Amino acid sequence: TQLLEQSPQFLSIQEGENLTVYCNSSSVFSSLQWYRQEPGEGPVLLVTVVTGGEVKKLKRLTFQFGDARKDSSLHITAAQPGDTGLYLCAGGRPSGSARQLTFGSGTQLTVLP
Amino acid sequence: DAEITQSPRHKITETGRQVTLACHQTWNHNNMFWYRQDLGHGLRLIHYSYGVHDTNKGEVSDGYSVSRSNTEDLPLTLESAASSQTSVYFCASSDWGTGANVLTFGAGSRLTVL
Repeated sequence: TQLLEQSPQFLSIQEGENLTVYCNSSSVFSSLQWYRQEPGEGPVLLVTVVTGGEVKKLKRLTFQFGDARKDSSLHITAAQPGDTGLYLCAGGRPSGSARQLTFGSGTQLTVLP
Repeated sequence: DAEITQSPRHKITETGRQVTLACHQTWNHNNMFWYRQDLGHGLRLIHYSYGVHDTNKGEVSDGYSVSRSNTEDLPLTLESAASSQTSVYFCASSDWGTGANVLTFGAGSRLTVL
């Protein structure tokens, strides 16, 4: 059972457009991370959010953790071809072993020049 | 610089053969993980270890085994490879203490089982 649903699964846009990727769950997470993965490489951490309602900005990327800590969004402003990649969200559990992460199925973003 | 390396990067094998994928990290991280990545499934946890001689099953552990004899290495063994195990395998490590568990990933090993 997939506990983290990402949408959309695929997204192709033109350079300069804005976009939002969503990560939703019925479960509460103690933290939410976003990773970006490029072809032939492993995922690389972009950001970690730990507080409900938290907003973090990384240049043109804005990450938000939902108030109830069940969902998150990634907004990219003025997308560039260099933003192309697979974006993965990952939730950390508040109970049991917090050292495990649950990953979403990913959003494949293509930014066309 | 510290790193996490996987080998081989590409492997083709036949059904029924034993295969071992190596993972070596120089971060001195206590936690190590093996994931498989398949289209539409994201990353699924196979096995993980919190330290030397500790191993635990993840959500898709059937047909796989690991051992942790030192801090640096966590090899993944497929005892009898099956076509369903064709996938890209990622090793990761972390040094979780307080706060969120941040993973550092290797570059992946692409395994094809014919």
